[in-house]
Amino acid sequence: EIVLTQSPGTLSLSPGERATLSCRASQSLSSSYLAWYQQKPGQAPRLLIYGASSRATGIPDRFSGSGSGTDFTLTISRLEPEDFAVYYCQQYGSSPTFGQGTKVEIK
Amino acid sequence: QLQLQESGPGLVKPSETLSLTCTVSGGSISSSSYYWGWIRQPPGKGLEWIGTIYYSGSTYHNPSLKSRVTISVDTSKNQFSLKLSSVTAADTAVYYCARRDILTGYYSPFDYWGQGTLVTVSS
Repeated sequence: EIVLTQSPGTLSLSPGERATLSCRASQSLSSSYLAWYQQKPGQAPRLLIYGASSRATGIPDRFSGSGSGTDFTLTISRLEPEDFAVYYCQQYGSSPTFGQGTKVEIK
Repeated sequence: QLQLQESGPGLVKPSETLSLTCTVSGGSISSSSYYWGWIRQPPGKGLEWIGTIYYSGSTYHNPSLKSRVTISVDTSKNQFSLKLSSVTAADTAVYYCARRDILTGYYSPFDYWGQGTLVTVSS
């Protein structure tokens, strides 16, 4: 099983600031099968990024993904009030797994 | 607009079988372009993939749950279902059904999700 480790566990920032979230895989991911999701309380996860760096339909360009191999990053260039949520990375190979999540909270 | 809706009992007794159905509307479950999956989330915790099915009935499951999981599809009703046997309190979670679009690649993320349904395992 591929284990994904996200850091930090919690990120305390103010609106307008830049958020940088990390996801590290226990082994190299084939073809960058790495996605990022946003989840707000009481809601289902929402796909933000797939293929490590491609934005899903309708996702604002302040969200960007990068990385390859075992190290991946989600960057939110300028936090909007609606961006405060929990973010999960997922590797979607033959046996998908999720990271434990990073909570982005208002400072 | 594609919609997925989970349904089933919200309370299951320990050792019994959890049964859920996902009804797909606004699209066909029989399309060759999509796979359909189940994911769960214990209260206050992270996400766990349970398993995935194709309209043909081909399935694959999380190895940690495989012996307890059965996923099936009913194309005539545009539904797919989950059965999880011998449940314990550790199976208490919000259960989501979701779609993945293989047009972006054979392996792909889940791009449409149901709203989720809470299943509590308790006597």
